[in-house]
Amino acid sequence: KNEVEQSPQNLTAQEGEFITINCSYSVGISALHWLQQHPGGGIVSLFMLSSGKKKHGRLIATINIQEKHSSLHITASHPRDSAVYICAVRGVTQGGSEKLVFGKGTKLTVNP
Amino acid sequence: DGGITQSPKYLFRKEGQNVTLSCEQNLNHDAMYWYRQDPGQGLRLIYYSQIVNDFQKGDIAEGYSVSREKKESFPLTVTSAQKNPTAFYLCASSVRDRVSESDTQYFGPGTRLTVL
Repeated sequence: KNEVEQSPQNLTAQEGEFITINCSYSVGISALHWLQQHPGGGIVSLFMLSSGKKKHGRLIATINIQEKHSSLHITASHPRDSAVYICAVRGVTQGGSEKLVFGKGTKLTVNP
Repeated sequence: DGGITQSPKYLFRKEGQNVTLSCEQNLNHDAMYWYRQDPGQGLRLIYYSQIVNDFQKGDIAEGYSVSREKKESFPLTVTSAQKNPTAFYLCASSVRDRVSESDTQYFGPGTRLTVL
């Protein structure tokens, strides 16, 4: 079983729609990250959160530590939001050091 | 501008050849990482380095080697021992957030390696 599960795997929306991407994890964490990967491959960090809620522009990220669940919301979606959204949490390498454990990503396509 | 550079963006090699992927950062970050990304899978950690002249194996280190002789540079060599080297390779560096005690990672643009 993957330590980080994202849903849905693929999401198609019309411009202006409200988008929700979910992330569930099974490991204990100190923080959860949401990342955005553009079609060219570059990855940008959107949020790092350990509790509650964060907002940046049209993006909102929430986390429920007790339920081990986080959501990324996009309000008034736009075609430029089309990307792969990746959830990552802190885990442990085989050698016992900390590392990020990544979900497989949610591919979002917003049509005009 | 501060950031991470990876070169080249696309790389083609014949099977059996070693190839070295470049990663340079001018963010003054101590920690650097190499990840591999395959279609339908999450990023997987190959090697990481928390300080100059020190590096540790990640989850899929077999067939790869690294060096960290300078703070700014963390090159990755894909050796002929790597059985399935065709993939997208991402380099990252990080700085620790003192409040959450978690790292924010900054990613390079990636190198897409194709072994023919």
